[in-house]
Amino acid sequence: SQTIHQWPATLVQPVGSPLSLECTVEGTSNPNLYWYRQAAGRGLQLLFYSVGIGQISSEVPQNLSASRPQDRQFILSSKKLLLSDSGFYLCAWNWAATNEKLFFGSGTQLSVL
Amino acid sequence: AQSVTQLGSHVSVSEGALVLLRCNYSSSVPPYLFWYVQYPNQGLQLLLKYTTGATLVKGINGFEAEFKKSETSFHLTKPSAHMSDAAEYFCAVSRGYQKVTFGTGTKLQVIP
Repeated sequence: SQTIHQWPATLVQPVGSPLSLECTVEGTSNPNLYWYRQAAGRGLQLLFYSVGIGQISSEVPQNLSASRPQDRQFILSSKKLLLSDSGFYLCAWNWAATNEKLFFGSGTQLSVL
Repeated sequence: AQSVTQLGSHVSVSEGALVLLRCNYSSSVPPYLFWYVQYPNQGLQLLLKYTTGATLVKGINGFEAEFKKSETSFHLTKPSAHMSDAAEYFCAVSRGYQKVTFGTGTKLQVIP
């Protein structure tokens, strides 16, 4: 069966510090991978998605970047965090062939202070 | 382009009452439609989905939704609310190789 791992669960970082959130998927190959951010009252905002290794599409210009160094690994990064980067970050995947149901990780609550 | 509008960011119902969460979509092609549920501090999980075929879709936990093309709607219902239904619900739309687009969510409160 397929599983998705996302860590850490919570993170408190000072403004200006770097960020690295990691997501890995097990039990499938060549998935579509997604990073979403959920801010209070704003629903889910798609940040990045990837259809293959090294292929990243950015949805919203911002302080964040994403990388996919391996087929089932998706990393969200920042060189210098801003207060506005605070939020709940969710990694997700689905099958590339159908692009249907999304499977979500358990999320990372990021607080930038 | 595709989009989803969820009417009502907060909905309150009494335990045992009907749950109705509204979702309208916009899509240039026949859509795939989804409802996801999120419990506090957790990821989202799929409640139900419509792709093709029968327009009344049944999901987990007694929820169902009906795809109405003429109204571009995909409202989520449950005949009798339970305390455990308190959560945030997201409607979403996609089609084929287009990425999934989510609504802004509706928080459901169940009053004992």
